[in-house]
Amino acid sequence: AQSVTQLGSHVSVSEGALVLLRCNYSSSVPPYLFWYVQYPNQGLQLLLKYTSAATLVKGINGFEAEFKKSETSFHLTKPSAHMSDAAEYFCAVSDPNTGNQFYFGTGTSLTVIP
Amino acid sequence: ETGVTQTPRHLVMGMTNKKSLKCEQHLGHNAMYWYKQSAKKPLELMFVYSLEERVENNSVPSRFSPECPNSSHLFLHLHTLQPEDSALYLCASSHLTGQGDTQYFGPGTRLTVL
Repeated sequence: AQSVTQLGSHVSVSEGALVLLRCNYSSSVPPYLFWYVQYPNQGLQLLLKYTSAATLVKGINGFEAEFKKSETSFHLTKPSAHMSDAAEYFCAVSDPNTGNQFYFGTGTSLTVIP
Repeated sequence: ETGVTQTPRHLVMGMTNKKSLKCEQHLGHNAMYWYKQSAKKPLELMFVYSLEERVENNSVPSRFSPECPNSSHLFLHLHTLQPEDSALYLCASSHLTGQGDTQYFGPGTRLTVL
């Protein structure tokens, strides 16, 4: 079975600083990878996804993520944090061998300090 | 209405009550999902429907009963729940259950079982 590990359940950055949220996955085959964001009292919104095309994926709101097969990682970055980026971020993997079942990490709560 | 909607947004029920959660998607998708989101735990996939047929049931207790009358609507019928069932219940939909199909989430129903 797939698993997703998000290192750091809480991350704090200053406004304007680099955002780095870590995600590692376990998979015996190349997976599909996703980052979602959840704002308070809302559902999950897709930020970006990797589906075996370019390894550097650009998403909404200035976020991007790089797929590194050798490190089994899919870390999320943003060059300059904005106050509106404060939210919960979830990494997910879809295993090609199990249809479209998603496996989610436990989430990382991002705080942006003014 | 656009996207995925869920009603009610909040629900408080006793352990002997019977209630239903409703999900509706306006995206023309053919697959729908129920997830349970508890604090500090990964999202748990409960049920998957594809073309109105249940294709996944991840060992969910029988006090949760899904219903998918058509490709746009999904229900979760609840009865004799336990306090540990209190959580955010998220509905999602995707084009199909194919590899890497993005899942789009509703805002969730916050359920409290007394």
